[in-house]
Amino acid sequence: QLQLQESGPGVVNPSETLSLTCTVSGDSISNSIYYWGWIRQPPGKGLEWIGSIYSSGSTYYNPSLKSRIKISVDTSKNKFSLKLSSVTAADTAVYYCARVGSITRRFDYWGQGTLVTVSS
Amino acid sequence: QSALTQPPSASGSPGQSVTISCTGTSSDVGGYNYVSWYQQHPGKAPKLMIFEVSRRPSGVPDRFSASKSGNTASLTVSGLQPEDEADYYCSSYAGSDDYVLFGGGTKLTVL
Repeated sequence: QLQLQESGPGVVNPSETLSLTCTVSGDSISNSIYYWGWIRQPPGKGLEWIGSIYSSGSTYYNPSLKSRIKISVDTSKNKFSLKLSSVTAADTAVYYCARVGSITRRFDYWGQGTLVTVSS
Repeated sequence: QSALTQPPSASGSPGQSVTISCTGTSSDVGGYNYVSWYQQHPGKAPKLMIFEVSRRPSGVPDRFSASKSGNTASLTVSGLQPEDEADYYCSSYAGSDDYVLFGGGTKLTVL
């Protein structure tokens, strides 16, 4: 059974960089019929796509966040990561990682999510 | 690009049917058959309910159905059950650079 697990600090200081990792188990992150994505959800609000990455390393980012985002993949460790720089309180959210079907474009497996609070 | 437009709330009594709309543009919902719907219970991760406009993943009850007409997609929940009470989000592939848009979400209440 595929599982995804987010990990990283629960609190980040304003203006610093948020760093999260998603560990994938039950499938190889190199499986070419899927790619991998990050989605966030501010408290009480809706979902926002952050960006996606293929196992080849090709990345696609939400234009509204593009200047502050870097998503990377480590196929040897079956993990992919998110870095979001210059964070503000507006970046406080539950961050989810998910698997995406490369043909169907569906987010079919999600991690449980991790709350990141931007606060000093 | 703006988020897809969903009604903030919907409701129905047990056994009834309810339909939730999701309106986009010809650059997203209307332009591709990659509309998905997700169910989210409080404090839980979203769950895929519909993909490619109207296909159900295995394990999703056939009470959940969906369709698309022009720039608007719709999710119908038939035979409402108490456990269907949740937030529902639509999403659509939006073309270049694998861009994905989500709707603002609809809170479904089972009366």
